[in-house]
Amino acid sequence: DGGITQSPKYLFRKEGQNVTLSCEQNLNHDAMYWYRQDPGQGLRLIYYSQIVNDFQKGDIAEGYSVSREKKESFPLTVTSAQKNPTAFYLCASSTHWTGLVTGELFFGEGSRLTVL
Amino acid sequence: EDKVVQSPLSLVVHEGDTVTLNCSYEVTNFRSLLWYKQEKKAPTFLFMLTSSGIEKKSGRLSSILDKKELFSILNITATQTGDSAVYLCAVRLGNQFYFGTGTSLTVIP
Repeated sequence: DGGITQSPKYLFRKEGQNVTLSCEQNLNHDAMYWYRQDPGQGLRLIYYSQIVNDFQKGDIAEGYSVSREKKESFPLTVTSAQKNPTAFYLCASSTHWTGLVTGELFFGEGSRLTVL
Repeated sequence: EDKVVQSPLSLVVHEGDTVTLNCSYEVTNFRSLLWYKQEKKAPTFLFMLTSSGIEKKSGRLSSILDKKELFSILNITATQTGDSAVYLCAVRLGNQFYFGTGTSLTVIP
């Protein structure tokens, strides 16, 4: 079955450590996204990528980094520069908007990061 | 600045009630508006709306878009406890999606 796999589901880290969250999709989507969700808040865009080897910052990119070496994979690194990293992280993908066809955003199950 | 605003922020109703959730937006480059339901984990897709005035329906849920007044509503009739969730509205701008803060719905038996 096609979908998006995020790992790990739960992650605990000490302050000052970098962590990398994995996101793999087999939907053959070109566009991939990382969102952060805090309690009682909506989704805020961290980074997105429309094509391999290219990505753009979202609204809250500071303290995060990404790579897109393969179409299927879009890992997110939460660096020690991120001041408040404890949150729920969602990876998503979609087809490109072509002007004729617009698709929805598909989500992974999420990764909950807690920094102690 | 692009903006998506949902109201109310939270809602508590009794089973059997009908609810209306609102989503208004001020964006450039609008492509579509989407509704999602989120229960603890990943949001699940409900509807995508691209044209004004055409109602989308799925069981007890329905939604409509008004592109002139820049808003959408999500209706849930005969609510059940399983409808308790956060309902997210998102607007697609080209290849970006912007989300509102969500409406938290609690349905009491």
